[in-house]
Amino acid sequence: EVQLVQSGAEVKQPGDSLKISCQGSGYNFIDYWIGWVRQRPGKGLEWMGIFYPGDSTIRYSPSFQGHITISADKSTRTAFLQWSGLRASDTAIYYCARLPIIPTTPYFEFWGQGTLVTVSS
Amino acid sequence: EIVMTQSPATLSVSPGERATLSCRASQSVGNNLAWYQQKPGQAPRLLIYDASTRATGFPARFSGSGSGTEFTLTISSLQSEDFAVYYCQHYYDWPPYTFGQGTKLEIK
Repeated sequence: EVQLVQSGAEVKQPGDSLKISCQGSGYNFIDYWIGWVRQRPGKGLEWMGIFYPGDSTIRYSPSFQGHITISADKSTRTAFLQWSGLRASDTAIYYCARLPIIPTTPYFEFWGQGTLVTVSS
Repeated sequence: EIVMTQSPATLSVSPGERATLSCRASQSVGNNLAWYQQKPGQAPRLLIYDASTRATGFPARFSGSGSGTEFTLTISSLQSEDFAVYYCQHYYDWPPYTFGQGTKLEIK
């Protein structure tokens, strides 16, 4: 069974750094792209970027490029989303999600449970 | 960047009736379209991919259609567990693979 288990909720101040995680199990981690999606309170889904653990290829949305870093640790089967300078507008639930193995069909097949990040002074 | 527009924003339908949700792309995306279902407090769940293929676990009352720029999600004979927010997403060509803003399906 494919599972994506995300790290717990975080409360941070503006300007703080943060790294949240998403551990995959039940599949060969390095063979599948994994991505991140933002959902601000009461709002819709926003596509942030995707990462391929096999060769560390990353694709960012222009809306997020420069503000976030997506990475992964193959040895622990864990993907990461990090910020070096959080803003109040980063307050949201962040979901990780895995793509299917066929790279030409990059929809999100399996989802993590979400990590709530609150940024407030 | 391709813009996905869903309509209506909210759809009120009685249980047992049919619901029709629309998604329009700002340019052709072929059949590279997915639909997701999100219930309150839960992560989204893949419902339809490749515009018309139902994902594992969803019954046949859910169906997707369309290609190019116009897509439809139809739920025949609505059940209580179907009331949720539905999002479309394209995955055509190069990222970002943007989502629509969602349609909230509520009980009438």
